[in-house]
Amino acid sequence: QVQLQESGPGLVKPSQTLSLTCSVSGASISRGGYYWSWIRQHPGKGLEWIGYIYYSGSTYYDPSLKSRVTISVDTSKNQFSLKLTSVTAADTAMYYCARDLGPLYDWGQGTLVTVSS
Amino acid sequence: EIVMTQSPATLSVSPGERATLSCRASQSVSSNLAWYQQKPGQAPRLLIYGASTRATGMPARFSGSGSGTEFTLTISSLQSEDFAVYYCQQYNNWPPGTFGQGTKVEIK
Repeated sequence: QVQLQESGPGLVKPSQTLSLTCSVSGASISRGGYYWSWIRQHPGKGLEWIGYIYYSGSTYYDPSLKSRVTISVDTSKNQFSLKLTSVTAADTAMYYCARDLGPLYDWGQGTLVTVSS
Repeated sequence: EIVMTQSPATLSVSPGERATLSCRASQSVSSNLAWYQQKPGQAPRLLIYGASTRATGMPARFSGSGSGTEFTLTISSLQSEDFAVYYCQQYNNWPPGTFGQGTKVEIK
């Protein structure tokens, strides 16, 4: 059974960088075959796909966030990470990581990130 | 970008009744359509992929149908644990995978 777990600060100041890590168990990122994605959900709202990374390091980012997003992978730790720069209150959301092949097969429990001074 | 539109926004159903949720794509997505269930305070969970294939462990009372631009999720007999928000997602033009805005199934 594949499990994902997000970690990182729950509070980030405006203009700073949001950094989250997703730890994967039950599957090896380096084995390939799946993409590893970040999705967010604003409070009381719907789902917004942020981007993905493949074990090789290739990435795709949603165009609306592309200028501020970096997703990286550490196959030795079986983790992948999200960095979102220049955050504002509009980036306050629940952030999920997921195993992706089009359908998002497995999800982490999510971590709430609040942007506030 | 493909826009996914779900209807209705809220569906009020009594336990044991049938629920029918709709999802429409702004252009054809073939059968590359998934449904997710999200309960309060929980992450979404994959319910259906390929428009009609139930994900591992999903009860048989959940069924998906459709192709092209029109899709339906049917819950044959609502159980108490089925009251949740349901999202559709297209992955035909992926990335990105775009989501509908969700349908909330509430107790009538």
